[in-house]
Amino acid sequence: DADVTQTPRNRITKTGKRIMLECSQTKGHDRMYWYRQDPGLGLRLIYYSFDVKDINKGEISDGYSVSRQAQAKFSLSLESAIPNQTALYFCATSQSTDTQYFGPGTRLTVL
Amino acid sequence: RKEVEQDPGPFNVPEGATVAFNCTYSNSASQSFFWYRQDCRKEPKLLMSVYSSGNEDGRFTAQLNRASQYISLLIRDSKLSDSATYLCVVNWMDSSYKLIFGSGTRLLVRP
Repeated sequence: DADVTQTPRNRITKTGKRIMLECSQTKGHDRMYWYRQDPGLGLRLIYYSFDVKDINKGEISDGYSVSRQAQAKFSLSLESAIPNQTALYFCATSQSTDTQYFGPGTRLTVL
Repeated sequence: RKEVEQDPGPFNVPEGATVAFNCTYSNSASQSFFWYRQDCRKEPKLLMSVYSSGNEDGRFTAQLNRASQYISLLIRDSKLSDSATYLCVVNWMDSSYKLIFGSGTRLLVRP
């Protein structure tokens, strides 16, 4: 079984809809992250959390929110999706070392 | 200047060739460096950490030059399975811990 899972894997939605992306991990890591990846831009950090209830903004947090209610789960919400939020979204986890372990990604398309 | 810069490629090489990628970073206080591999539409996976003295893992050798702020990855005896995008990753030493990902160098190994 995968250590870091993401649901859904693919989603197509319309502008203005609320979307939630879920991330779960069985690695027992304290730190969790959400990134988005766009062609030619690499991975960009949206939000990260070092513990339950700890939330920190990354470089591109506008238009997104997150929730960390349990150590193993970190969810990302788009309150009102817009087309430029079409991207590949990755969740990642880490413990005290810097190494991050990524989930399989969610491909989101906003029409 | 971008925080982490890589030549996007693609580097197109025959099987058995030796190929090298460089990456430059702008934060002189960075302490941790990594190479990740990403296959098309898949999640990034850690290839190797980069240590100050340089390190080798089979056909892969990573070097760090702090004075010039660049990291290199050398792949010897390229295999078809090495075809992927290689991401240079640097930790960012400021008040909020995070990793910065380069946009990647694409490698194509041909028969």
